Amino acid sequence: AQSVTQLGSHVSVSEGALVLLRCNYSSSVPPYLFWYVQYPNQGLQLLLKYTSAATLVKGINGFEAEFKKSETSFHLTKPSAHMSDAAEYFCAVRAPYSSASKIIFGSGTRLSIRP
Amino acid sequence: DGGITQSPKYLFRKEGQNVTLSCEQNLNHDAMYWYRQDPGQGLRLIYYSQIVNDFQKGDIAEGYSVSREKKESFPLTVTSAQKNPTAFYLCASSIVRTGELFFGEGSRLTVL
Repeated sequence: AQSVTQLGSHVSVSEGALVLLRCNYSSSVPPYLFWYVQYPNQGLQLLLKYTSAATLVKGINGFEAEFKKSETSFHLTKPSAHMSDAAEYFCAVRAPYSSASKIIFGSGTRLSIRP
Repeated sequence: DGGITQSPKYLFRKEGQNVTLSCEQNLNHDAMYWYRQDPGQGLRLIYYSQIVNDFQKGDIAEGYSVSREKKESFPLTVTSAQKNPTAFYLCASSIVRTGELFFGEGSRLTVL
């Protein structure tokens, strides 16, 4: 079985500062991991995904995440926050080769950017 | 442009009424999904369909119904049996092989 925990329901950073959104997973098999972004009143958009290749994954909009098996983590980072990064971010996990119906979403982290 | 279209974007319903949310995709994806999103919670799967004329219950199917008569369309009916229907509803589709989800822009249902 898989589960995912996002630490911090709300994160606030200054424009230009480092963004760090935390995600820890639990999985009985090597997982596939995802980060999605949701802007207000819109659907989710895939930022990046880990599917057992390189452990450092680069995504859209300057975001990246590192898969750390020893820490069961998949934290999302961006070196310099921009006002347009304000949104809700979801970490998700599923077992490899399983249906997308088996994907488990975290509860989300709302990112605010201070001018 | 290919994508997923949900309608209506906002919907108000009186208690005891059924309401149907539309979801249409032109991505030629085999699989389609309905999720419910509540504040401070992740997405919860209501129903999904991997092929025309077949669908499966997700984690919170009670009070909802779906149909899949065409590959492009997967409407969701929120029935009067759903005790707490006020929520944001998201439709998604995927290629079965990759399992990557593509989402529509959502429909916000408010029960008055």
